[in-house]
Amino acid sequence: GAVVSQHPSRVICKSGTSVKIECRSLDFQATTMFWYRQFPKQSLMLMATSNEGSKATYEQGVEKDKFLINHASLTLSTLTVTSAHPEDSSFYICSARERTGANEKLFFGSGTQLSVL
Amino acid sequence: RKEVEQDPGPFNVPEGATVAFNCTYSNSASQSFFWYRQDCRKEPKLLMSVYSSGNEDGRFTAQLNRASQYISLLIRDSKLSDSATYLCVVNLNTGGFKTIFGAGTRLFVKA
Repeated sequence: GAVVSQHPSRVICKSGTSVKIECRSLDFQATTMFWYRQFPKQSLMLMATSNEGSKATYEQGVEKDKFLINHASLTLSTLTVTSAHPEDSSFYICSARERTGANEKLFFGSGTQLSVL
Repeated sequence: RKEVEQDPGPFNVPEGATVAFNCTYSNSASQSFFWYRQDCRKEPKLLMSVYSSGNEDGRFTAQLNRASQYISLLIRDSKLSDSATYLCVVNLNTGGFKTIFGAGTRLFVKA
């Protein structure tokens, strides 16, 4: 099946630093990737939709200048948490949409646990 | 009203029990439907797609009722390893592709 690689799996950083998370589709081209955030014991919350070659679409309440998304190729999207603060500590997960004919499936990266001290 | 609503849970069942998860969605433009399984601090993994005709995969059976905007997942002969959170997922395409997740229902299967 399709594989999505997400890196790094865990980041611990100081408050005020920026953190970049990469999401790669390894065996298919993904024109659309998604970024989610999940706080403990809560469901996945969609942060933004990343479209190859164009600007990302952010969900209401998500600061686009805080969470920079770049989708420069059909296999790579990056999320940069700028000037991270302790309240940004969370589990971040990406997903990529695979289209096979009329079927569409969503495959997830393994997630990045961000801890901001 | 949430776009995708699931049983709040958690469900605590003994091994061998049959357990049913329910899910409703509010947008009639919803196009495709899935059940995902998520283990603690792991990414969600696709369990099965859901079709109007109903589909079965081993101990798992999924049903979709478009008229009622209702989706279900039935697990028969539950195993300890079935313990996880089950997410109801709906894809919309209303000018742009969007995936909506339910809040999930936690299942604990006990010996």
